Amino acid sequence: AQSVTQLDSQVPVFEEAPVELRCNYSSSVSVYLFWYVQYPNQGLQLLLKYLSGSTLVKGINGFEAEFNKSQTSFHLRKPSVHISDTAEYFCAVSEGYSTLTFGKGTMLLVSP
Amino acid sequence: ETGVTQSPTHLIKTRGQQVTLRCSSQSGHNTVSWYQQALGQGPQFIFQYYREEENGRGNFPPRFSGLQFPNYSSELNVNALELDDSALYLCASSLRDREYNEQFFGPGTRLTVL
Repeated sequence: AQSVTQLDSQVPVFEEAPVELRCNYSSSVSVYLFWYVQYPNQGLQLLLKYLSGSTLVKGINGFEAEFNKSQTSFHLRKPSVHISDTAEYFCAVSEGYSTLTFGKGTMLLVSP
Repeated sequence: ETGVTQSPTHLIKTRGQQVTLRCSSQSGHNTVSWYQQALGQGPQFIFQYYREEENGRGNFPPRFSGLQFPNYSSELNVNALELDDSALYLCASSLRDREYNEQFFGPGTRLTVL
């Protein structure tokens, strides 16, 4: 069975600082990896996805993530955050047509 | 292109009642998945429907049931509501002709059970 661990429940950061949100997964087969963002009182929006190929994946809003198979990690990064990036971020894993398994989420809190 | 829509936005029920939540898929999508997101948690998979049949189920009791209609819209029904059923219910649609499962989420229905 697949599982996802997001190591930080909350990450406070100042505006324009870099940030990394950590995600580790476990699976017995090849997986597809995703990061979603959830703004207050809204559904989930896809930030980026890793399917195959280059291990560095670029997404929307300046976010990127790196797939590391040996460490089973898929950490999300942004070089300079904005106040508007304050939201909950979810890492998720999928095995082909199977459904998404989510982590518990990381709340990114950006302050001025 | 119309995205995934859900209704109602909010709902308040009492313990023991039954509830029906509705979801309209994104245009062109043929698969619908339902997730439950309790407060402070990540979404948990309830079940998935493909071509009007249940195509996978998470660790939820039978009182959680669903339907998918020919136009690929879907319903989630929950019987004998319990306090722990209070959560945000998310619907996601996808097109099952690819190797991976890129899902597009609706805004959710917030269910409160008193």
